[in-house]
Amino acid sequence: QSVLTQPPSVSGTSGQRVTISCSGSSSNIGSKTVNWYQQLPGTAPKLLIYNDNKRPSGVPDRFSGSKSGTSASLAISGLQSEDESDYYCAAWDDSLKGQVFGGGTKLTVL
Amino acid sequence: QVQLQESGPGLVKPSETLSLTCTVSGDSIDNNYWNWIRQPPGKGLEWIGYISYTRSTKFNPSLKSRVTISVDTSKNHFSLKLSSVTAADTAVYYCARGISKVDKSYFYMDVWGKGTTVTVSS
Repeated sequence: QSVLTQPPSVSGTSGQRVTISCSGSSSNIGSKTVNWYQQLPGTAPKLLIYNDNKRPSGVPDRFSGSKSGTSASLAISGLQSEDESDYYCAAWDDSLKGQVFGGGTKLTVL
Repeated sequence: QVQLQESGPGLVKPSETLSLTCTVSGDSIDNNYWNWIRQPPGKGLEWIGYISYTRSTKFNPSLKSRVTISVDTSKNHFSLKLSSVTAADTAVYYCARGISKVDKSYFYMDVWGKGTTVTVSS
C-alpha cells in the first residue's frame, strides 16, 4: 500500500485533456512540494513536474501540475499517443523522513 | 550534461549482500543528494535512501536495518549495499540525483540512471 494514492489507470482519446490525481496527508503533500515522474515502457523514470507546478527544460507545456491541501493533480492537455506511459507522484514525508511515491497511474491513449 | 550509470552483479543468492555502484559524470558527489530507488517487476517505485553532500544518510524505514549507502569521492561514485536479500528484493535498481532544500520543503530527483536489474535466486 503506497503512502500516496493514485488511480491505477486513466484513459483518453487523442487531443483530449486528462487529469491524474494524487492524494496524501499533512505530513507529505500538505506540507511539502509534489513531483511527477513519467516512465515510458522499459525506461527509467523522468522528472516531469517538480515543486508542484514547475516543468524542467524540454517538458512540453501540455503537462501541468497543481496542488490543493493534501491532494495534487497532473493534467495533460492535447493528449498524444506518445503520452501513453506510467505516471508517478512523489513527495517528501516528514513522518517517515523519506521520499514517498504514489502507486502509479497507467495512461492509455485510445 | 549530468549522467548516472549503475553497475553491479545481476544475480545475487538469497541471504547474501547486494552491492551496486552508481558512477556520476557531469556533477560532483560533493553536491546535492544521491539516491537509490528500486522497482520490482510489474510494480511501482520504492525509494531506498540517499547520501547527501554532507555525507548524512536517510533510508526508507522498511529497509533501514539492511541498507548502507556510501561514497567514494576519488571515483565520484556512490554505492548501495543491501544485506540478507530475499526474492522480494528482486527489482530494477535506479540511482538518481536529488535536489533539495535542507528542510525538505522541496525534494525532487532530476537525473536518473538507466537502471540495472538484480535477481535474487539460488
